Amino acid sequence: GEDVEQSLFLSVREGDSSVINCTYTDSSSTYLYWYKQEPGAGLQLLTYIFSNMDMKQDQRLTVLLNKKDKHLSLRIADTQTGDSAIYFCAEKGSGGYQKVTFGTGTKLQVIP
Amino acid sequence: DTAVSQTPKYLVTQMGNDKSIKCEQNLGHDTMYWYKQDSKKFLKIMFSYNNKELIINETVPNRFSPKSPDKAHLNLHINSLELGDSAVYFCASSPGQTTNEKLFFGSGTQLSVL
Repeated sequence: GEDVEQSLFLSVREGDSSVINCTYTDSSSTYLYWYKQEPGAGLQLLTYIFSNMDMKQDQRLTVLLNKKDKHLSLRIADTQTGDSAIYFCAEKGSGGYQKVTFGTGTKLQVIP
Repeated sequence: DTAVSQTPKYLVTQMGNDKSIKCEQNLGHDTMYWYKQDSKKFLKIMFSYNNKELIINETVPNRFSPKSPDKAHLNLHINSLELGDSAVYFCASSPGQTTNEKLFFGSGTQLSVL
């Protein structure tokens, strides 16, 4: 089945950039997503990218997609303490009601 | 107004009991889901319904039975609870397009089986 992997933990200083990486195995992925989960809360969609794009920018967030290597990254510029959370990448396959498969999650710790 | 709301937020119960978690969405979405998040934060889909019809049913024990009385509600009933069922259960909804499925999550139900 589909597999989505992320590193478990990332620590950065406030004001620096954060880069969270994700690899996936499903070559038929159509959409790829980044979700944020704060403590005690559900996941919240941050941004997404269609598989025929290689970059998408949305304010402080930049998503890069390398479809050949099946690698997705999320860059957060000027990281703030409020960005501390778990970040999940997710992918959706093609055709019909394909499920969205989530990665293992990366816990981002922002040091003041 | 909360878009996807689930109740209860916390559920503590004994092994062998039967319990239900309720979910409602007011977004007008066609598709609803149940996800399970384990202690390592790994998130796995359990079920998905589109307009009250079951469309995704992952390998989940028969003790778990979803019910969708209408497209705004998806409840989860669990029979004969086991220790391994302890997790956070998230309800989610999406517009139901078969292309870009943006998911909207509830705040979760933390189930503890003693």
